[in-house]
Amino acid sequence: ELKVEQNPLFLSMQEEKNYTIYCNYSTTSDRLYWYRQDPGKSLESLFVLLSNGAVKQEGRLMASLDTKARLSTLHITAAVHDLSATYFCAVDNRSNDMRFGAGTRLTVKP
Amino acid sequence: EPEVTQTPSHQVTQMGQEVILRCVPISNHLYFYWYRQILGQKVEFLVSFYNNEISEKSEIFDDQFSVERPDGSNFTLKIRSTKLEDSAMYFCASSYVRTSAYEQYFGPGTRLTVT
Repeated sequence: ELKVEQNPLFLSMQEEKNYTIYCNYSTTSDRLYWYRQDPGKSLESLFVLLSNGAVKQEGRLMASLDTKARLSTLHITAAVHDLSATYFCAVDNRSNDMRFGAGTRLTVKP
Repeated sequence: EPEVTQTPSHQVTQMGQEVILRCVPISNHLYFYWYRQILGQKVEFLVSFYNNEISEKSEIFDDQFSVERPDGSNFTLKIRSTKLEDSAMYFCASSYVRTSAYEQYFGPGTRLTVT
């Protein structure tokens, strides 16, 4: 059974600092997704990573995928308050469903 | 920009009652999904639907749950006899193809409260 583990689960950052969120998964997959969720809101797609070595960047966020290590990272550069949210990684289970990590609740403080 | 819509936004029901949650997927999408998120927890897959039948379902999706596409636009999730533990946010999602190349687009969710 596919298991997806994220860490840390809680992250409190100061503005302008850098940090990385990690997403490990247990079985072979080359499709990984990052979503953002604001409190009480739906899931907003951030990145779709479809191959080993894939790297995508949008603003202060950069995501990468290493399928051999079964690891994806979401790197935050020079954090700002607007990035405060919960970030989920999700892995395609190849059975027409996605399995989500537990989420990382990010708080960016001034 | 096309989006997935869901109604109602909030549903309160008594334990043992039936509820139907409604979703209108993006119009040219072919795959439809239901997920749930218990407050403060992770998003859990319930079921996927393609070509008018269930493609996959999780262990959560037991006999109390059913899905239907009653017409060309709606996609519904029915819970036959609600339990307290069914209280959660239910998200509908759709994709043009399997998630192999296209991400799933999520609706705003329906908050179900069972009392």
